[in-house]
Amino acid sequence: NAGVTQTPKFQVLKTGQSMTLQCAQDMNHEYMSWYRQDPGMGLRLIHYSVGAGITDQGEVPNGYNVSRSTTEDFPLRLLSAAPSQTSVYFCASSSSGTSGSRNEQFFGPGTRLTVL
Amino acid sequence: DAKTTQPPSMDCAEGRAANLPCNHSTISGNEYVYWYRQIHSQGPQYIIHGLKNNETNEMASLIITEDRKSSTLILPHATLRDTAVYYCIVRGSGNTGKLIFGQGTTLQVKP
Repeated sequence: NAGVTQTPKFQVLKTGQSMTLQCAQDMNHEYMSWYRQDPGMGLRLIHYSVGAGITDQGEVPNGYNVSRSTTEDFPLRLLSAAPSQTSVYFCASSSSGTSGSRNEQFFGPGTRLTVL
Repeated sequence: DAKTTQPPSMDCAEGRAANLPCNHSTISGNEYVYWYRQIHSQGPQYIIHGLKNNETNEMASLIITEDRKSSTLILPHATLRDTAVYYCIVRGSGNTGKLIFGQGTTLQVKP
């Protein structure tokens, strides 16, 4: 099991450019999420998905799009990059599980994005 | 999901127990307390969770007060590798893949 993988590890963009951050998991998890982490801060939820074809907004969705066409993949698209989107991006997945079960989220290694 | 309050930083001597407090005074009856930690710049890692009973696993113990308004994560014998940011998160019983992180507590384990 590779777990949760993210590509690229590092990326530098110019303001206005678009790009897609890739996230894949091989654990057959229903739930996947994207977070961003700014320096010295906790993680903030961008978008999440409870299954293929279903996505919803988190705390800070503006400027980002997601889609979930397969269980394994959950790409995050930056439509027009801005310096305020400079951050570390983490993807996570978890199984549905039953109420109160561990339901732990497994996180990828992160993508470090700089927008100039 | 209820909000949590944690001290921004704590120190602990290597080999001693580290006790990390968390306040969640607005927690509701069906909400669980989860603890994650983030070592350096890695993705967060699950530690433990509980509803109202104390819990223990191979990594830590979780003590939840009877009124459930606060909890304490205990690392029984802290090592240098336990230096990390620790996040206390309250989450409803319905799992939607959402975790709302606060600022966490930076634990520094010193030799």
